[in-house]
Amino acid sequence: GQQVMQIPQYQHVQEGEDFTTYCNSSTTLSNIQWYKQRPGGHPVFLIQLVKSGEVKKQKRLTFQFGEAKKNSSLHITATQTTDVGTYFCAVSSYGQNFVFGPGTRLSVLP
Amino acid sequence: IAGITQAPTSQILAAGRRMTLRCTQDMRHNAMYWYRQDLGLGLRLIHYSNTAGTTGKGEVPDGYSVSRANTDDFPLTLASAVPSQTSVYFCASSPTGFTDTQYFGPGTRLTVL
Repeated sequence: GQQVMQIPQYQHVQEGEDFTTYCNSSTTLSNIQWYKQRPGGHPVFLIQLVKSGEVKKQKRLTFQFGEAKKNSSLHITATQTTDVGTYFCAVSSYGQNFVFGPGTRLSVLP
Repeated sequence: IAGITQAPTSQILAAGRRMTLRCTQDMRHNAMYWYRQDLGLGLRLIHYSNTAGTTGKGEVPDGYSVSRANTDDFPLTLASAVPSQTSVYFCASSPTGFTDTQYFGPGTRLTVL
């Protein structure tokens, strides 16, 4: 079955520092989505990537889909305390349901 | 407009009891999903439904059943709860399915003793 890894599992940063999380798949993907879950909350959709090498930006967040469509990254520039939460990637391979990664939990120290 | 509602918010259940978690959406989405979330394991798909009247098994379907009698409702039933089913359960929906954005409900925290 689909294997999805996310690294790191946890990340603690000082406010203002950058943060990157990586999502790696064992198979070639058709789509990848990123979600954010605040502590005690539910996952909220951030972005979807479908093209090889695609880069999308949302304010301080930059999302990238690898050239081989097997990995993706989420980079946050100058973290803020509002960025605290767990970031999940969800991957799909051509007609299959999305499989969620285990997530990266981000803590931001003020 | 509520989006997706789930009930109950939380529940403590004795092992062996039957329990139905409710999920209702008002967005007229075709596809609905049930996930369980356990620490360190992310979200795992239990069952899904691409449209009213159809259901499918996800990654961890054993011990759970679902029905989709209409577009709005997608209840999840634990026929005989076991402690390993202690988890947070999220219902989600998407407009058409596989490649769509999923919208999640607030979750149900279930403890089986």
